[in-house]
Amino acid sequence: QVHLVESGGGVVQPGRSLTLSCEVSGFASSSYGMHWVRQGPGKGLEWVAVIWSDGSKTYYADSVRGRFLISRDTSRNTLYLQMNRVRAEDTAVYYCARDRSDGNYGGDYWGQGTLVTVSS
Amino acid sequence: DIQMTQSPSSLSASVGDRVTITCRASQTINHYVNWYQQRPGKAPTLLIYAASSLHTGVPSRFSASGYGTDFTLTISSLQPEDFATYYCQQTYSIPPVTFGGGTKVEIK
Repeated sequence: QVHLVESGGGVVQPGRSLTLSCEVSGFASSSYGMHWVRQGPGKGLEWVAVIWSDGSKTYYADSVRGRFLISRDTSRNTLYLQMNRVRAEDTAVYYCARDRSDGNYGGDYWGQGTLVTVSS
Repeated sequence: DIQMTQSPSSLSASVGDRVTITCRASQTINHYVNWYQQRPGKAPTLLIYAASSLHTGVPSRFSASGYGTDFTLTISSLQPEDFATYYCQQTYSIPPVTFGGGTKVEIK
């Protein structure tokens, strides 16, 4: 049974850093690409980043490129999102999602989300 | 970036109604479209992938079609648990992956 659990959310001050984790189970994490998607309060879904199944490629939304870093530790079955220099507009529920394949096909299973609030 | 335009942004319908949601891409995306359902306070769940393929465990009242730039999601007979927000997504040209703005299906 595919399962994804995000953690690491909370309140963070503007300009500071925060790292989100997504622990996966029920599948071989090295065989699938992984995405981060966020949803601001009362807003729609916004794609944030993807890492390819073999880790060879990472892509970012323009709004986070240069500030956020997606990575994975397959030995720990864990995906990460390092968020640096956070801004008020980064406030959102952050979801991790497994890609249907290597990273190019969108998420088929999603975690329950973790809330990040950027506030002083 | 490829823009995904969903319509309508909201609709009211009754249990048993047939509901159709459309999504238009700003350029051709072949069949690289997914459809998601999001119930209030919950994570999105995949309904349809590759424009018309039903994801595992999704009821057969959900169907979808389209190719190129125009796509539709249809619920043949709306059930109480189907009241939710629906999103289309393109993965033809990444980055970025892009979503439509969502369609909220409410009870009439």
